[in-house]
Amino acid sequence: TQLLEQSPQFLSIQEGENLTVYCNSSSVFSSLQWYRQEPGEGPVLLVTVVTGGEVKKLKRLTFQFGDARKDSSLHITAAQPGDTGLYLCAGPDRGSTLGRLYFGRGTQLTVWP
Amino acid sequence: KAGVTQTPRYLIKTRGQQVTLSCSPISGHRSVSWYQQTPGQGLQFLFEYFSETQRNKGNFPGRFSGRQFSNSRSEMNVSTLELGDSALYLCASSLRGESTEAFFGQGTRLTVV
Repeated sequence: TQLLEQSPQFLSIQEGENLTVYCNSSSVFSSLQWYRQEPGEGPVLLVTVVTGGEVKKLKRLTFQFGDARKDSSLHITAAQPGDTGLYLCAGPDRGSTLGRLYFGRGTQLTVWP
Repeated sequence: KAGVTQTPRYLIKTRGQQVTLSCSPISGHRSVSWYQQTPGQGLQFLFEYFSETQRNKGNFPGRFSGRQFSNSRSEMNVSTLELGDSALYLCASSLRGESTEAFFGQGTRLTVV
């Protein structure tokens, strides 16, 4: 059983479209992080959300942390081919910010020119 | 500032052999965590070391072990390799062990034949 469930698992869209991916859990997290991973590479940290209800923007990417700190979403506006990759959400061990991270299985995004 | 360096990048081993993977964290970082990534299970936590001490361990058999040296470099060892050990092994480093600031290396792709 995955502690963090991500949906959709796969997403294939045309350049210029908008999209949202979701990360849900029945557990409360002190923070959630989003990573993007490209083939053959390690995950790269995009953002960390800490406060319930928090919204963070990174250019065309908008990240939201749910009020109850059990879920998060990533919205991409006007997707570009360079956004292609595996998007992973992750959260630390319950009650701890140290060391261990739990990962969702990821959303594989493909943006076609 | 150099990132997290993992060596080797690719490795092919035969069932029953053992393997040692290396991770050099970002300079000054004292925590190193290891993850196994497979298509079926996603990223699974192996263990975390902080100042040469194993602080946290995931649910993997005893064939998986690790250590950290005084310069924070870490190695992980897998003995008696099985086909199912084929995976991308990722190392992440952080300054104080805070999971919110983990930086990943490019990984070592291990194939067991």
